[in-house]
Amino acid sequence: EIVLTQSPDTLSLSTGDRVTLFCRASQSISDSLLAWYQQKPGQSPRLVVYGASSRATGIPDRFSGGGSGTDFTLTINRVEAEDFAVYFCQHYGGGLITFGQGTRLEIK
Amino acid sequence: QVRLQESGPGLVKPSETLSLTCSVSGASMKTSFWSWIRQSPGKGLQWIGNIYYSGSLNYHPSLKSRVTISVDTSRNLFSLRMTSLTAADTATYFCARFESRREGYNFIPRGHFDTWGQGSVVTVSS
Repeated sequence: EIVLTQSPDTLSLSTGDRVTLFCRASQSISDSLLAWYQQKPGQSPRLVVYGASSRATGIPDRFSGGGSGTDFTLTINRVEAEDFAVYFCQHYGGGLITFGQGTRLEIK
Repeated sequence: QVRLQESGPGLVKPSETLSLTCSVSGASMKTSFWSWIRQSPGKGLQWIGNIYYSGSLNYHPSLKSRVTISVDTSRNLFSLRMTSLTAADTATYFCARFESRREGYNFIPRGHFDTWGQGSVVTVSS
């Protein structure tokens, strides 16, 4: 089973900042099977990026995903108030699905 | 627009069985995989299992012995059954569509969840 480790656990930042979230896999994975989700309090997760770097429908272009092998990133340029949330990475492989533990973006 | 709606009891006693249903609208159940995911209070996401309309199933290894997922394409819904509940199963349970692509006559998972239900809160307590 692939283990996904996200870092950091929490990020404190201001609107307008640029931020990069990290997701490390316990072994090399196909980038086509790595996704990122945003979850706000009391809501279900929302797909942000799939295939490591493709933005989901309706996601602003300030969000970008990247990486390959074991190391993946989600970058938000010029963070806006609506972006403060928890972000999870997720992998599918061998019929199994795993999530990272999440990174919380909070307002400084 | 694809919509998923969970339904089921909010409270279940320890050792009893949980049954949840996810109603699907706006999509054919034969063109995607369908999933259950849960989230314990203040914690992360745990995938429970996937089903394809043909009956193809995958379960999380740690839950496999207690979980059954089934699909009813005639009623456009799929279901989760989890036995021998304990307090550790207290969580919000989400149903979700695991997006797929067509390859010939088959549909292959694309690897991500593109639509989620709003979640069903389940508390295990006597």
